[in-house]
Amino acid sequence: TQLLEQSPQFLSIQEGENLTVYCNSSSVFSSLQWYRQEPGEGPVLLVTVVTGGEVKKLKRLTFQFGDARKDSSLHITAAQPGDTGLYLCAGAFGNEKLTFGTGTRLTIIP
Amino acid sequence: DADVTQTPRNRITKTGKRIMLECSQTKGHDRMYWYRQDPGLGLRLIYYSFDVKDINKGEISDGYSVSRQAQAKFSLSLESAIPNQTALYFCATRRDGRSGELFFGEGSRLTVL
Repeated sequence: TQLLEQSPQFLSIQEGENLTVYCNSSSVFSSLQWYRQEPGEGPVLLVTVVTGGEVKKLKRLTFQFGDARKDSSLHITAAQPGDTGLYLCAGAFGNEKLTFGTGTRLTIIP
Repeated sequence: DADVTQTPRNRITKTGKRIMLECSQTKGHDRMYWYRQDPGLGLRLIYYSFDVKDINKGEISDGYSVSRQAQAKFSLSLESAIPNQTALYFCATRRDGRSGELFFGEGSRLTVL
């Protein structure tokens, strides 16, 4: 069973600060996705990365896929209270099943 | 209306009872999935189906069964519920295989006493 480790598990920061969360595996991903989940709702896709070294931006969120396709990071610039939520990475390891990470619960304090 | 609808949203039951969680979708996707979410463990795959004649076990299928009644409907059953099946359950659909987006329902919170 492939494992995805996310860090940190919990993060609480002030509005306006920057932050980075990480997703790591010992196996190579064929693709990786990031989802955000808010209370009482299902996860919603933020981005999919496929190519090693790929960088994608979504407003203040920057996603990077490691060159070796074993890790990924999510960087948020000038965090806002609306960024609060559970961030989940999900990796595909050459088949159709996605393996989810353990999640990072982010709280932005106004 | 939601594209992926789960019923019930909340259920409290007792050990040994049979429980069915239902999922219906209007997205027209062939692929449907059931996940379980527990604090600190992320989402774990229980069962998945690529069409009405295809059912596959996920990583934690013991104690669960599923039925794909139609392209749009995929139900999860707990034949004899036990307390450690207390969790938040999500149904999801997907159009494409390897890198396609998962569309989730709003979840069904199950408590087994």
